[in-house]
Amino acid sequence: AQSVTQLGSHVSVSEGALVLLRCNYSSSVPPYLFWYVQYPNQGLQLLLKYTSAATLVKGINGFEAEFKKSETSFHLTKPSAHMSDAAEYFCAVSTTSGTYKYIFGTGTRLKVLA
Amino acid sequence: NAGVTQTPKFQVLKTGQSMTLQCAQDMNHNSMYWYRQDPGMGLRLIYYSASEGTTDKGEVPNGYNVSRLNKREFSLRLESAAPSQTSVYFCASSEEAGIWYEQYFGPGTRLTVT
Repeated sequence: AQSVTQLGSHVSVSEGALVLLRCNYSSSVPPYLFWYVQYPNQGLQLLLKYTSAATLVKGINGFEAEFKKSETSFHLTKPSAHMSDAAEYFCAVSTTSGTYKYIFGTGTRLKVLA
Repeated sequence: NAGVTQTPKFQVLKTGQSMTLQCAQDMNHNSMYWYRQDPGMGLRLIYYSASEGTTDKGEVPNGYNVSRLNKREFSLRLESAAPSQTSVYFCASSEEAGIWYEQYFGPGTRLTVT
């Protein structure tokens, strides 16, 4: 069965520091992987997605993620955090294993400290 | 271009009352979804409609019904609300129900059942 695990429900970083949000997936077939961001009182919006074209994926707002099959990971990074990055981030895996599946992780809330 | 719109934004119900959450999209998408978001549990799929005229159960369909009224509109009905249905409900749409398609989310409906 497909699943996605986000380590750390809350992450705090200082403004200007590296952002690293962790996501591990489980899938018996090649997955498609997504990162979404949710700002307060808003719906989710896509940050980036992996669809097997390239293992390093660049998204909006300076975020990127690297697909590592050997580690079954798709961690999200940003070199320098900005106050506006404070939000909740969701990793999602999408596969077809008989039926349509699109599974979200439990989310990581990012706090950026001044 | 409003994207995905949801009404109402907030709702308080008493146990046993019924209500319908409305969702509409203006992106000419074929597929639409209803999720619920609960603290620490991420987003869970309630129902989805891969195309006009079809609906399928997701992960947590019990206590809900849906109607794909036309290509634009997808409603979620609670026939007899229960406190366990207190949650934030998101509607989303995508071009198709394929696993590589990005989902576009509405702003959510915050429902409290007392």
